[in-house]
Amino acid sequence: AQSVAQPEDQVNVAEGNPLTVKCTYSVSGNPYLFWYVQYPNRGLQFLLKYITGDNLVKGSYGFEAEFNKSQTSFHLKKPSALVSDSALYFCAVRDRNYGQNIVFGPGTRLSVLP
Amino acid sequence: DAGVIQSPRHEVTEMGQEVTLRCKPISGHDYLFWYRQTMMRGLELLIYFNNNVPIDDSGMPEDRFSAKMPNASFSTLKIQPSEPRDSAVYFCASSSPGQGFGNTIYFGEGSWLTVV
Repeated sequence: AQSVAQPEDQVNVAEGNPLTVKCTYSVSGNPYLFWYVQYPNRGLQFLLKYITGDNLVKGSYGFEAEFNKSQTSFHLKKPSALVSDSALYFCAVRDRNYGQNIVFGPGTRLSVLP
Repeated sequence: DAGVIQSPRHEVTEMGQEVTLRCKPISGHDYLFWYRQTMMRGLELLIYFNNNVPIDDSGMPEDRFSAKMPNASFSTLKIQPSEPRDSAVYFCASSSPGQGFGNTIYFGEGSWLTVV
């Protein structure tokens, strides 16, 4: 079965510093990987995804993620954090053997301190 | 371009009452998903439809929950009778098959349900 782990419940970073939010996954076949962000009292917003090709994927708001097949990881990164990036971040995976659903990780709360 | 539209945004109801949540997917999307978000269980899939047909309802908690999609632009999630443990945020989401298994799922703003 497909699963996602986000090992950190909370990540704190100073404004202007680089940020990394970690994600590892488990699937039986080739993965389709996604990152979403959730601001307070809002729905999930799509940030970026990896389907195939270049391991470095660029997305919205300056975020990028690196796919590493050998480590089964898909970490989210940003070179310079903003206070407005503070939110809940979800990694998700789709395994084509299980249809169109995507399975979400537990989420990581990012706090960017001014 | 309108996103996924859900109603009501907030609902407070008494235990035992019927609750109906509504969703309008993005026009042209033929997959529709219902997710539930709680602190204890995170985000979990309840059911999803393809071309108005339920494909996977294994996440529906019990017989008190039912979902329908009578046409391509409307779906409902009903809870009858409601219980306090149903208190959660219910998200509707939709996607199109344009990229096969790489397609993106787009979420509505959620319906925040409190059962007292």
